Amino acid sequence: ETGVTQTPRHLVMGMTNKKSLKCEQHLGHNAMYWYKQSAKKPLELMFVYNFKEQTENNSVPSRFSPECPNSSHLFLHLHTLQPEDSALYLCASSQGGGVVGEQYFGPGTRLTVT
Amino acid sequence: KNEVEQSPQNLTAQEGEFITINCSYSVGISALHWLQQHPGGGIVSLFMLSSGKKKHGRLIATINIQEKHSSLHITASHPRDSAVYICAVRAKGQNFVFGPGTRLSVLP
Repeated sequence: ETGVTQTPRHLVMGMTNKKSLKCEQHLGHNAMYWYKQSAKKPLELMFVYNFKEQTENNSVPSRFSPECPNSSHLFLHLHTLQPEDSALYLCASSQGGGVVGEQYFGPGTRLTVT
Repeated sequence: KNEVEQSPQNLTAQEGEFITINCSYSVGISALHWLQQHPGGGIVSLFMLSSGKKKHGRLIATINIQEKHSSLHITASHPRDSAVYICAVRAKGQNFVFGPGTRLSVLP
């Protein structure tokens, strides 16, 4: 248990569906992250939120839409995805405020787009 | 752009062997993070260091800032150490950049 939870753990969706991934951290951190891990590729940073404000969007297509209602919760809304978006999506948190500290990861959501 | 390389890509060892995994990077950094990813996908932080050496149980991490290189050592390896080990580095004011990982299998 890392103190970061993600739901669902597995998701299969069609290209026309809309779904959301949820992340929650119980560590009192102020920074939260979405990462994408495709097969045989390194982790890719997608979004960073610091004190609920988005501070980084790493050229992610608009079919991925993040939402951070408070420092403990992070969502990734998905719509009209492509098969190449199939991957493991990982959420992480750390102390924020300009100092990017040690990251704590959730278990990930394995997404398959059919 | 900071490039992070790891070697070897894959490593198979017998139980009890001493294991070394290497990480090299291309720009000056303020911190380096060693992570462990098990087959289910979950990632666990092992160490975060900016200089010298850290030890936790059978794991030792070292970093040489001048040479832009870090090593992760596992002593008395065990099958439960089988995982992907990932090195990530952070330049000042930047987010972490992740290496490709080293897949370790420890055979009983």
